[in-house]
Amino acid sequence: AQTVTQSQPEMSVQEAETVTLSCTYDTSESNYYLFWYKQPPSRQMILVIRQEAYKQQNATENRFSVNFQKAAKSFSLKISDSQLGDTAMYFCAFDGGATNKLIFGTGTLLAVQP
Amino acid sequence: EPEVTQTPSHQVTQMGQEVILRCVPISNHLYFYWYRQILGQKVEFLVSFYNNEISEKSEIFDDQFSVERPDGSNFTLKIRSTKLEDSAMYFCASGGPGQATYEQYFGPGTRLTVT
Repeated sequence: AQTVTQSQPEMSVQEAETVTLSCTYDTSESNYYLFWYKQPPSRQMILVIRQEAYKQQNATENRFSVNFQKAAKSFSLKISDSQLGDTAMYFCAFDGGATNKLIFGTGTLLAVQP
Repeated sequence: EPEVTQTPSHQVTQMGQEVILRCVPISNHLYFYWYRQILGQKVEFLVSFYNNEISEKSEIFDDQFSVERPDGSNFTLKIRSTKLEDSAMYFCASGGPGQATYEQYFGPGTRLTVT
């Protein structure tokens, strides 16, 4: 069975600094997709970034980038120049393609301090 | 920018009552999903829907749950006889028109409170 693990329940970072959120997953599939979703206090789920497993290049979206290590089954999110608006719960999610569903980790609550 | 919408934003119901949660997916999407999130817990998959039928459902999605796309734009989740443990945030998501699970866009959620 596919699983997603986020081992950091909470993290804190100073405004303008960089923070990395960890995620590991387990699968026997070779082609899959990985995502990071942000959930602010409003509880809306917002797609932050995606990574296709067949792509070796790490995805980047403005201040957000990932470190995708396929062999290690690791998918971390780096937030550069952290802003107060980045304060939210961050969920890592896995999609095996054939399974037609997202499997989420338990989330990391990120607090950006002024 | 197109977005997924959900109504109502908050629904309070008594145990045993039927509820219908409504979603309007992004118009050219073909794949539709329901997820739920019990307060303080992770988001859990309920069901996926494509071509007017269920593609996959989880163990949570038992006979009390049903989904429907009644008119080509709305996508509904019905809970026939609500239980206290059905209290959660329910998210609708849509994806496509290309590969089904390339990206899923979530609605703002409906908070269901069963008393």
